[in-house]
Amino acid sequence: GAGVSQSPRYKVAKRGQDVALRCDPISGHVSLFWYQQALGQGPEFLTYFQNEAQLDKSGLPSDRFFAERPEGSVSTLKIQRTQQEDSAVYLCASSLKTWPARENIQYFGAGTRLSVL
Amino acid sequence: DAKTTQPPSMDCAEGRAANLPCNHSTISGNEYVYWYRQIHSQGPQYIIHGLKNNETNEMASLIITEDRKSSTLILPHATLRDTAVYYCIVSPGAGSYQLTFGKGTKLSVIP
Repeated sequence: GAGVSQSPRYKVAKRGQDVALRCDPISGHVSLFWYQQALGQGPEFLTYFQNEAQLDKSGLPSDRFFAERPEGSVSTLKIQRTQQEDSAVYLCASSLKTWPARENIQYFGAGTRLSVL
Repeated sequence: DAKTTQPPSMDCAEGRAANLPCNHSTISGNEYVYWYRQIHSQGPQYIIHGLKNNETNEMASLIITEDRKSSTLILPHATLRDTAVYYCIVSPGAGSYQLTFGKGTKLSVIP
């Protein structure tokens, strides 16, 4: 079946613009995650949804970052008033598991590469 | 979560076994060892995980030392498509959903 799909794959924004990044998780996956990956670094956790509920947003770097998953399926990560330091790859992952779970297997999309000029 | 230490890079000849080490000396009893890899321009991909026993699946084998302070991921017959960054992650058995990635090991498979 289809994997996690993210769009757009690439986004160039001028500093100060708002952007919206979309994630389509694997059908039936209850849990959804967003990660941020800076160049040369491993991904870092941003936020976690279980169905439509955002259970953890502790990794969001500032209040300019906002994520939603209104119907428990597709999710959008929105960044307001983008800054150069927001340039990164934004990865979405989904999982059939809900937490607490014994296993932590997440399925990742290819990511959206955001460049802020 | 326990911290992991991996070499920054390794080379492996195509067709040979690739052995990727990971140290996790502060691992606690309920923490699993996970391996993910990330091929260039793709998202991370789950490979294998284990708690105490050695594990094998269609992709790889995971060898965990008896004291659980280190582990080795083995790709038995490396191909060019196995060139990627490999991440060793320690995660609690029940509780934390965050995957804490380090910098991983960049494995280059050489023709």
